Amino acid sequence: QKEVEQNSGPLSVPEGAIASLNCTYSDRGSQSFFWYRQYSGKSPELIMSIYSNGDKEDGRFTAQLNKASQYVSLLIRDSQPSDSATYLCAVNILIQGAQKLVFGQGTRLTINP
Amino acid sequence: NAGVTQTPKFQVLKTGQSMTLQCAQDMNHNSMYWYRQDPGMGLRLIYYSASEGTTDKGEVPNGYNVSRLNKREFSLRLESAAPSQTSVYFCASSEAVGGGIETQYFGPGTRLLVL
Repeated sequence: QKEVEQNSGPLSVPEGAIASLNCTYSDRGSQSFFWYRQYSGKSPELIMSIYSNGDKEDGRFTAQLNKASQYVSLLIRDSQPSDSATYLCAVNILIQGAQKLVFGQGTRLTINP
Repeated sequence: NAGVTQTPKFQVLKTGQSMTLQCAQDMNHNSMYWYRQDPGMGLRLIYYSASEGTTDKGEVPNGYNVSRLNKREFSLRLESAAPSQTSVYFCASSEAVGGGIETQYFGPGTRLLVL
């Protein structure tokens, strides 16, 4: 099992709908979870971080964390064409005695006008 | 503030050539990282530096060396480039202290092609 897994997509969503992106992770002790957005040819930029079980909302974005199920998701409400990008899930994983941030392979999201 | 800067933006090398990728941050962060990104592979950690004067291997360190020159600068060196090192390289920094995981901020990337 990969340490952080995402569905690589592509995920296609109509404009105005809710886009749902999912991520599972292997380390039950993980405490820090991040969602990064990466436009084609650009560097990743942080859009959400979450540390506690439950939901965290920021504008049109909601991060959801369920530590018991080892599952973190990102919801994008009222999707816009400008949301088309690759979304990277990142989780802190204990590897060889050190905390490291491990990235999933990313989910490519396309918002169709 | 420029954040995290990287040079060069693009580079073409022949197999066996060497080069150094430069990275600098002006956010006074303790930790700095080098990643490579290949299609379908996500970001993979090459080396990191938790603080000035320390460096550690990441997931894919073979073929690379690093230097944490000071708190601001962290360079990545390819001593003898191979086609398998064709990739996009990202430098990142964070405030992580004492093993904690904090938000990482990324530079614009270096696109490297090894022929």
